[in-house]
Amino acid sequence: GAVVSQHPSWVICKSGTSVKIECRSLDFQATTMFWYRQFPKQSLMLMATSNEGSKATYEQGVEKDKFLINHASLTLSTLTVTSAHPEDSSFYICCARGESNYGYTFGSGTRLTVV
Amino acid sequence: AQSVSQHNHHVILSEAASLELGCNYSYGGTVNLFWYVQYPGQHLQLLLKYFSGDPLVKGIKGFEAEFIKSKFSFNLRKPSVQWSDTAEYFCAVNPAGGYNKLIFGAGTRLAVHP
Repeated sequence: GAVVSQHPSWVICKSGTSVKIECRSLDFQATTMFWYRQFPKQSLMLMATSNEGSKATYEQGVEKDKFLINHASLTLSTLTVTSAHPEDSSFYICCARGESNYGYTFGSGTRLTVV
Repeated sequence: AQSVSQHNHHVILSEAASLELGCNYSYGGTVNLFWYVQYPGQHLQLLLKYFSGDPLVKGIKGFEAEFIKSKFSFNLRKPSVQWSDTAEYFCAVNPAGGYNKLIFGAGTRLAVHP
C-alpha cells in the first residue's frame, strides 16, 4: 500500500532556531500534501495544503512566514518551522494524497520540542 | 461555524461490549466521510470511508459506520470490542470544494478492559 515516510520522528531544538520536517511518498506521487498539527490529547488541526509546484494555502490563523512549506516535487514536501519558540512545540503530521481515488496517507508524525 | 463533532471524548468498555461512537458534521452539500484509528505510538490508519452508495459502510477489523444524511451523522460501530481496539478514533470530513482537505473531529479515546 501507499507509504509516506516522515522525518525526523522527533527533534529538540533551541528557541530561535529553525527546524525542517520532511515527508516523502515512497511508492506514489503525492499531488497534494496536507500538514497538520496535533496538541496533546487534541485533534489534528489543519495548518496548510500544498499542491506540487504551487504555493501552499494556509488555514486561518497559521503564519505562513513562520511555517514554510515547500512541495517542489511529487514525492517530497517539507515544513520548516522558522525561529521556533516553545509554543511551537507540538506533533506535526503530514498527509499525502495522490491521484488515486480519495486516498489519504499519513506520515508517522514529528514530535517537536523547543527549549 | 463549520465543524466535525465527536460527542464522546473518552469511552471505557469491557471486552465483548458493543461500541458506538458518534460523529456529526455541519457542512452542507456533498461530503466524504472517514473514520481513522490511532493506536498508541502509531500513525493514523483508515478504518473505513464513505463517498456514495450504500450508507452502511463496512471497514477493517469488524468496524462499520452508517451515514444518515438527514442527521448529518456518521457513527462508528462494532458489535463486540477487543482489548486490542484500545486506541483513539477520529472522524474526518472532506467537504466538497474544500481543496480536498480533511477536517478532523476532536477524537474519542477508547479503553477496553479485559
